[in-house]
Amino acid sequence: EAQVTQNPRYLITVTGKKLTVTCSQNMNHEYMSWYRQDPGLGLRQIYYSMNVEVTDKGDVPEGYKVSRKEKRNFPLILESPSPNQTSLYFCASSSLGGDAIPYGYTFGSGTRLTVV
Amino acid sequence: AQSVSQHNHHVILSEAASLELGCNYSYGGTVNLFWYVQYPGQHLQLLLKYFSGDPLVKGIKGFEAEFIKSKFSFNLRKPSVQWSDTAEYFCAVSEHQGGKLIFGQGTELSVKP
Repeated sequence: EAQVTQNPRYLITVTGKKLTVTCSQNMNHEYMSWYRQDPGLGLRQIYYSMNVEVTDKGDVPEGYKVSRKEKRNFPLILESPSPNQTSLYFCASSSLGGDAIPYGYTFGSGTRLTVV
Repeated sequence: AQSVSQHNHHVILSEAASLELGCNYSYGGTVNLFWYVQYPGQHLQLLLKYFSGDPLVKGIKGFEAEFIKSKFSFNLRKPSVQWSDTAEYFCAVSEHQGGKLIFGQGTELSVKP
C-alpha cells in the first residue's frame, strides 16, 4: 500500500531533550516536506526537499533540522525542543512532474508532540 | 510573501444544502492550487487540484472548484452536502515551480443531519 509513515504518533518530551521524528515513504517520491498544524493557523511548512541531499526552508524552520540522505526517508530533528514547538506534525511526499512541479501530496498520519 | 486566506472559519449547513468555501491567494505569478480535506482525527487528503487548463476542476466525492485568475480565487463548491462531509477543509497554493506550499487557515464544516 502506498503510504507515508511517521513515527512516533504521540510523543511527550521535556524542554531541551533532542528528538527525531521519522518519516518514510514507499512511493519513490522525489519531494518530501514537513508541516506543523496549530489551531487557527492551518498548516505551516517547516522544511522541504526536492530530492536526495537537497533541502530548503519553509515558512517556519527555526528550531528544526532535516536531512535527506535517502530518497525514502526525511527525518525531522528538534535539537533542543521548547514548549512553543508543541504541535501536530505532518510529513508529506509527492512525485514531481515536468518543470519539477509537485503533483499532489500524500500525507502521513501525523505526530502529536508535547514539549513540557 | 505569498499568503492564502480562507474567510470562513466555521460553516454550519444542513444536509442537502449547497456549499461554497472561499479561498483567495496573494501571489501574482503562475500558481498551482489545491483543496485538502481533514476528517476528524485523520490526516489530510487531496480533494482536487488545478495546474493549468480548464479552470473548473472536478475532484472526489462530488466536489469541484473554480479558478478565477482575475480574482485570485479558487473557491470550493458542492451542490448538496452530506453529514459525512463534516471535516476541516484547507486551500493550498504553491508557485508554479518550487516546493513551497502555503496553506490557508482552514474552514471547519459541520453538516447537520
